[in-house]
Amino acid sequence: GESVGLHLPTLSVQEGDNSIINCAYSNSASDYFIWYKQESGKGPQFIIDIRSNMDKRQGQRVTVLLNKTVKHLSLQIAATQPGDSAVYFCAEVNDYKLSFGAGTTVTVRA
Amino acid sequence: KAGVTQTPRYLIKTRGQQVTLSCSPISGHRSVSWYQQTPGQGLQFLFEYFSETQRNKGNFPGRFSGRQFSNSRSEMNVSTLELGDSALYLCASSTGGTAYEQYFGPGTRLTVT
Repeated sequence: GESVGLHLPTLSVQEGDNSIINCAYSNSASDYFIWYKQESGKGPQFIIDIRSNMDKRQGQRVTVLLNKTVKHLSLQIAATQPGDSAVYFCAEVNDYKLSFGAGTTVTVRA
Repeated sequence: KAGVTQTPRYLIKTRGQQVTLSCSPISGHRSVSWYQQTPGQGLQFLFEYFSETQRNKGNFPGRFSGRQFSNSRSEMNVSTLELGDSALYLCASSTGGTAYEQYFGPGTRLTVT
């Protein structure tokens, strides 16, 4: 079965608000995680990554937090925009293989 | 720099047939991975190739196979197609060294009837 899961299958957020997408993983040996965004009809798009020796990493409008104690990571999107509407996946990397969670569908309300 | 390209984008096949899908990685990338995406099972890893060698393989039957050429382009083949093979097949490329970032192509939508 999948080793990485997401807490919520859907998330509805008001435009301009911050979004938080959560993910739990089960393999404590995992040392690298990636967040992907997938829009309808497209392949997953790399958003941001984080290694296990870090607990926080920031990108443009996005922040990933990693809590190894409880095996949880989250993706925060600041000032959510309509273009952020998509399915978001977390993935852990082991042996050059990505193991994906089920995904969270984010819908941005105008 | 051009992204990952996959051909064909859409394909319709009949049960029992075989199919070959193609993937061209980003220039300079030596690793190519294949994933199957379905509504029920999500994204699942098929296999990964680096410098023409398969380094890792997922839990799929032997009907699923792949290869990589010296120019890093990759193909995957599915023989004796079943209805359950209908899916979006995604290819991802990376440098293949210690960098794990994988960049995905748009996928090939396979429908088996």
